[in-house]
Amino acid sequence: QVTLRESGPALVKPTQTLTLTCSFSGFSLSTTGECMGWIRQPPGKALEWLARIDWDDDQFYNTSLRTRLTISKDTSKNQVVLTMTNMDPVDTATYYCVRKARKWNYFDFWGRGILVTVSS
Amino acid sequence: EIVLTQSPGTLSLSPGERATLSCRASQSVIDNCLVWYQQKPGQAPRLLIYGASSRATGIPDRFSGSGSGRVFTLTISRLEPEDCAVFYCQQCGSTPPTFGQGTKVEIK
Repeated sequence: QVTLRESGPALVKPTQTLTLTCSFSGFSLSTTGECMGWIRQPPGKALEWLARIDWDDDQFYNTSLRTRLTISKDTSKNQVVLTMTNMDPVDTATYYCVRKARKWNYFDFWGRGILVTVSS
Repeated sequence: EIVLTQSPGTLSLSPGERATLSCRASQSVIDNCLVWYQQKPGQAPRLLIYGASSRATGIPDRFSGSGSGRVFTLTISRLEPEDCAVFYCQQCGSTPPTFGQGTKVEIK
């Protein structure tokens, strides 16, 4: 079955770079049509899509965060990595790793999420 | 980008009652690509409905979706205590994918 698990720091300081890793199983990101991404949710607030990477290494980003985000994949390790530079307290949120459904841009599997707090 | 507005913000109902949640889009949703997620406290969202009206695997038939164009509805026909959650709609026809702000369903 499909599983996703996020890992990374629970606390980062303002201006630092956040690096999150998603380790997954049950499918391969080298298979045509497979795509994965990241979504975040500030405490008590709504969901915000951040980035996506496709099996062919195409990458897509939230326009407002584009300059701060990088998404990459390591197919051999079944991992996807998200980096976000210049972290700010407003970036405090739970960050979810997701798998995109095959045909449309919605998300059929989610990791349990990782809460990242930005504070000095 | 497409803005989704959900209403009401909070719905407080008794077990067995019918819940009707609304999601309105700022422009027509391409191919009615509208999905609903359920998020229970402390958990990740779970896919409930895709393609506006198709239930995801394992979702009870008391959950149903309807609508087209700019207006979509999630109906829970007979509320159960475990349905206490926040429900989000998301449009998937345009990039970027966007979410509504959520409707909280409380069980009296």
